[in-house]
Amino acid sequence: NAGVTQTPKFQVLKTGQSMTLQCAQDMNHNSMYWYRQDPGMGLRLIYYSASEGTTDKGEVPNGYNVSRLNKREFSLRLESAAPSQTSVYFCASSEEGVPNYEQYFGPGTRLTVT
Amino acid sequence: QKEVEQNSGPLSVPEGAIASLNCTYSDRGSQSFFWYRQYSGKSPELIMFIYSNGDKEDGRFTAQLNKASQYVSLLIRDSQPSDSATYLCAVNPGRGSTLGRLYFGRGTQLTVWP
Repeated sequence: NAGVTQTPKFQVLKTGQSMTLQCAQDMNHNSMYWYRQDPGMGLRLIYYSASEGTTDKGEVPNGYNVSRLNKREFSLRLESAAPSQTSVYFCASSEEGVPNYEQYFGPGTRLTVT
Repeated sequence: QKEVEQNSGPLSVPEGAIASLNCTYSDRGSQSFFWYRQYSGKSPELIMFIYSNGDKEDGRFTAQLNKASQYVSLLIRDSQPSDSATYLCAVNPGRGSTLGRLYFGRGTQLTVWP
């Protein structure tokens, strides 16, 4: 049982390049999330998916797109990377059950855009 | 805008002392509250959740919730150097379109010195 996995672990891009961050979970969770974490800023939600086939914007969606490929996988795409997107990206998943919405996090992707 | 504020820190306590971490939230109707611990370079991991007013104890950790004051805290008794990490407070509104979504504070960095 791997939990939440993310690939790649590290990535360096040049401005204007595109890439897709992959996330998968094996806990049969309905909900999945993409966050970015910058120094002193805490975790900020980029996009989330409450169930397969649905996605919603979070706090900072500009410059990103997402795909909920199936129940297990949720990918994040940067179409034209910018230095402001240098950050650590975390994927998370959660089961839905009142009142506990514990989110389980993947190990993160450290992205640098030069 | 659902805001979650944490005491700015950093917080430094000697080994064996009680560390007190505080969090306030703006959405009065919030349902459940989480404390995550994040070691440097790692992903957040859940240490406590609470959804009823009062105290909840788990080993050396005690979460306290006061919904009337919109305040949640985490006490760490007999602090150990291994407790040195950033502690993130997260709040779940628990209703409507934001069902399942967590709102995170910026975190408080705790250092426990021997």
